[in-house]
Amino acid sequence: EAGVAQSPRYKIIEKRQSVAFWCNPISGHATLYWYQQILGQGPKLLIQFQNNGVVDDSQLPKDRFSAERLKGVDSTLKIQPAKLEDSAVYLCASSLDRSVGGSLEETQYFGPGTRLLVL
Amino acid sequence: AQSVTQPDIHITVSEGASLELRCNYSYGATPYLFWYVQSPGQGLQLLLKYFSGDTLVQGIKGFEAEFKRSQSSFNLRKPSVHWSDAAEYFCAVGRNKLVFGAGTILRVKS
Repeated sequence: EAGVAQSPRYKIIEKRQSVAFWCNPISGHATLYWYQQILGQGPKLLIQFQNNGVVDDSQLPKDRFSAERLKGVDSTLKIQPAKLEDSAVYLCASSLDRSVGGSLEETQYFGPGTRLLVL
Repeated sequence: AQSVTQPDIHITVSEGASLELRCNYSYGATPYLFWYVQSPGQGLQLLLKYFSGDTLVQGIKGFEAEFKRSQSSFNLRKPSVHWSDAAEYFCAVGRNKLVFGAGTILRVKS
């Protein structure tokens, strides 16, 4: 089974430029998450989608960050304009969120991440 | 509010020695608990998880963790560490919205 795919793997931009990241979740997974991992910290949830609807975007800086999940599959996360403090790894994860063998399978599986450096 | 504390930023162990990584959590209900491992430049790989039932859970790569409700802890253990275990380990709590600790970097010396 293919895992969560992300691209690009690395991106370097100047501050005030825009950037977009792409995520393809595991096939059949209903829920998709974007996390931000700043160097030396654990990942922090930015936004959660259930199918193509937003469940939680309370920690998404909406003045500069936006995300969409078209047709409930792939997702893009955009930053416009980028700031120096946006330098981080952006991780995408997905979960099945369906009963399997009598129990609800909610485990999140992560992609390799996109490492962003803002200069 | 949910939170996770991993008290040790770095740990160094000798190859073949036992390992215990500490994790303490704060959660309002019965917690779902996870340990993930992250190698340099890689995403997070799930080692093990606790949802309910037996408080000692077995994971991949010979890891296990024990849920202790009275201590709000979910420590990760391995009886004999291999050089390939060197990585960063994250404890997380929650359902859907995971809250992660800051991580513990494990170094293995030969």
